[in-house]
Amino acid sequence: NAGVTQTPKFRILKIGQSMTLQCAQDMNHNYMYWYRQDPGMGLKLIYYSVGAGITDKGEVPNGYNVSRSTTEDFPLRLELAAPSQTSVYFCASSFLAGDTDTQYFGPGTRLTVL
Amino acid sequence: AQSVAQPEDQVNVAEGNPLTVKCTYSVSGNPYLFWYVQYPNRGLQFLLKYITGDNLVKGSYGFEAEFNKSQTSFHLKKPSALVSDSALYFCAVRPRTNAGGTSYGKLTFGQGTILTVHP
Repeated sequence: NAGVTQTPKFRILKIGQSMTLQCAQDMNHNYMYWYRQDPGMGLKLIYYSVGAGITDKGEVPNGYNVSRSTTEDFPLRLELAAPSQTSVYFCASSFLAGDTDTQYFGPGTRLTVL
Repeated sequence: AQSVAQPEDQVNVAEGNPLTVKCTYSVSGNPYLFWYVQYPNRGLQFLLKYITGDNLVKGSYGFEAEFNKSQTSFHLKKPSALVSDSALYFCAVRPRTNAGGTSYGKLTFGQGTILTVHP
């Protein structure tokens, strides 16, 4: 299994541009998550999904959108990039078998907005 | 609201010495507690978790953590540190699901502790 994969690894955007961060998992996990990691701040949950067709907001959803058309894929969309969105973005997935699930993380996408 | 605190931004230890990375939490009821490690330019890797039962949890790479309910702590420990243990460590908490409800696996992370093990 490849686990959780993310593309691209790095990206530089200009203010106002749009882009989609791709995330895929091949573990047949029901739950998928998007986090952003800012220096010294830990990880903040942006959006999550409990299955295909179902998504919900996390702690910091403003400026982002998601969709979940398949179990495997969970793309994150930035519509109008702003410097405040400069961060490292991590996708994660979990099976959520009861309450004891473990989240598995992708390698991250480092995004800079100038 | 749940929260996690890692009171030390950095921990420095000599190779071969024991190490402790501290974590305290605040959550309603009994929590699930996790430790993750992040190596440079990599995603987070799961180390261990506390679900129930024995307060001492053993995990990957020789790490263990002790759950202390009265002190609301979940400190990460290792008896003998290795240089290769140098990384960023995150503690995370997740509330237990109530009957009829669900927490959807949402984790709350601490801000992270940089562990440096010197040769």
